[in-house]
Amino acid sequence: SQTIHQWPATLVQPVGSPLSLECTVEGTSNPNLYWYRQAAGRGLQLLFYSVGIGQISSEVPQNLSASRPQDRQFILSSKKLLLSDSGFYLCAWSFGGEQYFGPGTRLTVT
Amino acid sequence: AQSVTQLDSHVSVSEGTPVLLRCNYSSSYSPSLFWYVQHPNKGLQLLLKYTSAATLVKGINGFEAEFKKSETSFHLTKPSAHMSDAAEYFCVVNANTGNQFYFGTGTSLTVIP
Repeated sequence: SQTIHQWPATLVQPVGSPLSLECTVEGTSNPNLYWYRQAAGRGLQLLFYSVGIGQISSEVPQNLSASRPQDRQFILSSKKLLLSDSGFYLCAWSFGGEQYFGPGTRLTVT
Repeated sequence: AQSVTQLDSHVSVSEGTPVLLRCNYSSSYSPSLFWYVQHPNKGLQLLLKYTSAATLVKGINGFEAEFKKSETSFHLTKPSAHMSDAAEYFCVVNANTGNQFYFGTGTSLTVIP
């Protein structure tokens, strides 16, 4: 069966510091991968999606970036965090038209 | 273009009474439709999906939804609410292109004991 991992589960970072969130998927090959952000009490905002290694589509221009160095690894990064980057970050994968989510990372920028 | 409208941002029901969470969709293609549930500080869990087979779809935890093309609706129902059903629910459409999923803004369900 397929499993999706995200880490860390929680993170507190100061403004201006870098960010790296990692997501890995097990049990499937060549999945579509996604990063979403969920602000407090809000819906999901699609940040990036990837249909293959090195292929990244950005949905929202901002100070975040994503990379897919391996088939089942998706990384979300920032060089300098802003207060507005606080939120709940969710990684997801899809194959065959269904989407499955990881447990999420709670990021607080102070 | 694809979009989803969840008609209620908050729904409150008493334990043991029926649940109705409303969702209307817009899609240029034959859509796939999904309902997800999210408990606080957790990821989203797939409740059920419609993919052009039976219009009445049964999911986990006693939930079901009916696809009504003429009304462009995909409402989520449950005959009897349980305290553990209190959560955020998201309606999602996929245009069968495979890559992008469009989320509603969510409905917060409160269950009163």
